[in-house]
Amino acid sequence: LAKTTQPISMDSYEGQEVNITCSHNNIATNDYITWYQQFPSQGPRFIIQGYKTKVTNEVASLFIPADRKSSTLSLPRVSLSDTAVYYCLVGDTGPGRRALTFGSGTRLQVQP
Amino acid sequence: EPEVTQTPSHQVTQMGQEVILRCVPISNHLYFYWYRQILGQKVEFLVSFYNNEISEKSEIFDDQFSVERPDGSNFTLKIRSTKLEDSAMYFCASSIRTSGGDTQYFGPGTRLTVL
Repeated sequence: LAKTTQPISMDSYEGQEVNITCSHNNIATNDYITWYQQFPSQGPRFIIQGYKTKVTNEVASLFIPADRKSSTLSLPRVSLSDTAVYYCLVGDTGPGRRALTFGSGTRLQVQP
Repeated sequence: EPEVTQTPSHQVTQMGQEVILRCVPISNHLYFYWYRQILGQKVEFLVSFYNNEISEKSEIFDDQFSVERPDGSNFTLKIRSTKLEDSAMYFCASSIRTSGGDTQYFGPGTRLTVL
């Protein structure tokens, strides 16, 4: 599975847009990029998944450049409840290869 | 919105005892997983299960661990003889393969404390 690198922590204020960038230089052709959010003592929660270009849903956007060696999770107008750890995962989700490999994630702290 | 559920939320046991952690995956999902997270550490993959058999497992998933889908709704993780180092949050996840990739949905977890 492709190794990912993301910042250990980020700070923001309520109402701001937060962009978390993940590097995955060794991403393979079949790999999807998935972001999860985790609150303390809770299970990871799926945020968004993409393969290329831009994906948007009701909670976030995911920007993936043409070379796919990085991706950026964009959280519009964060609130205190967005304080959590955000994980970027890259991997082939084909048959027989389903294990998700979590890194240390990015700890986002949103201040009032 | 359908979700994965897990019971119990917290399990306390004595070292050497057997524990069974239970999960109810999302009803139309076909793939099931167990992960664990030791306090302050990363989420670690244990095992995946499809079509009534293990499809993938990690080095952590040794002979002390087993999984079962005893009926059409439950998915269980059994630890035969618990050790202190088994203390962790255990997360169940499920997924359904789509043309757009495979998204795993996680349950709230069971906190296992081994004394």
